[in-house]
Amino acid sequence: DQQVKQNSPSLSVQEGRISILNCDYTNSMFDYFLWYKKYPAEGPTFLISISSIKDKNEDGRFTVFLNKSAKHLSLHIVPSQPGDSAVYFCAASGNTGNQFYFGTGTSLTVIP
Amino acid sequence: EAQVTQNPRYLITVTGKKLTVTCSQNMNHEYMSWYRQDPGLGLRQIYYSMNVEVTDKGDVPEGYKVSRKEKRNFPLILESPSPNQTSLYFCASRKLAGVADEQFFGPGTRLTVL
Repeated sequence: DQQVKQNSPSLSVQEGRISILNCDYTNSMFDYFLWYKKYPAEGPTFLISISSIKDKNEDGRFTVFLNKSAKHLSLHIVPSQPGDSAVYFCAASGNTGNQFYFGTGTSLTVIP
Repeated sequence: EAQVTQNPRYLITVTGKKLTVTCSQNMNHEYMSWYRQDPGLGLRQIYYSMNVEVTDKGDVPEGYKVSRKEKRNFPLILESPSPNQTSLYFCASRKLAGVADEQFFGPGTRLTVL
C-alpha cells in the first residue's frame, strides 16, 4: 500500500512560469519530507526538505509547502528553467529517519 | 570527490544464480540504504544500515540480504535471484545525525533476471 502518492505522472510547463508538483501521504506519523530530482541514467539528487513542525521551506527557486491537516505537500519551482526537466520524487520519513517512503514520481518538462 | 559508487552498473543473469551488487561511499557516512525503482511504484527501500554490523529491513526485503562489515561498504546480495527482482537498484548514504539531511545516491545498477 503506497503511503506516499504523487498522482500526476507528468507535468509540462513553459519556461519562466511556475511549476507545482504535488504529493499526498497517508501516515500521520511522518515527520520529515524531502524532494529529490532524478535525471535519466543518474541517481536521485536531493533538492529540499521540510520538517513537520514547519509549513514552508524555501531555497532559491524552490519552495516546499506542507499542509499537515490535508496530509499534502507541494514543491513550487519559480521560475521554471529547461534544466529543471527531470523526474521529481517526494519522500517521507518518521522521526528516526531510518525508513523512507517514496512516491512514484512526477516527470516535469519545462518547454523553452 | 564525494560519491557513492555501485558495481556493476548493468547485469543480466539467470534465475537462481547468486549475485552481489557492491556499494561504496567515501563520505564516512554512518547510514546506508538500498532501494529498488520499478515503473509505477517509485523507489522502495529494501534494507538500511545505521552503522557497522547494524542492519534492518525496509519495505521490501524479501529475497535480499545485506551486510555491513566496514563503514564504507554495503553490498546487496541476491542468493537466488528471480525474474521479479529485475529492477533498477540504488544505493544511498547519509550522515546519521540529521534526519532530514540529504541522502547521496549512487548511479544505479540495472539488473535483469532471466
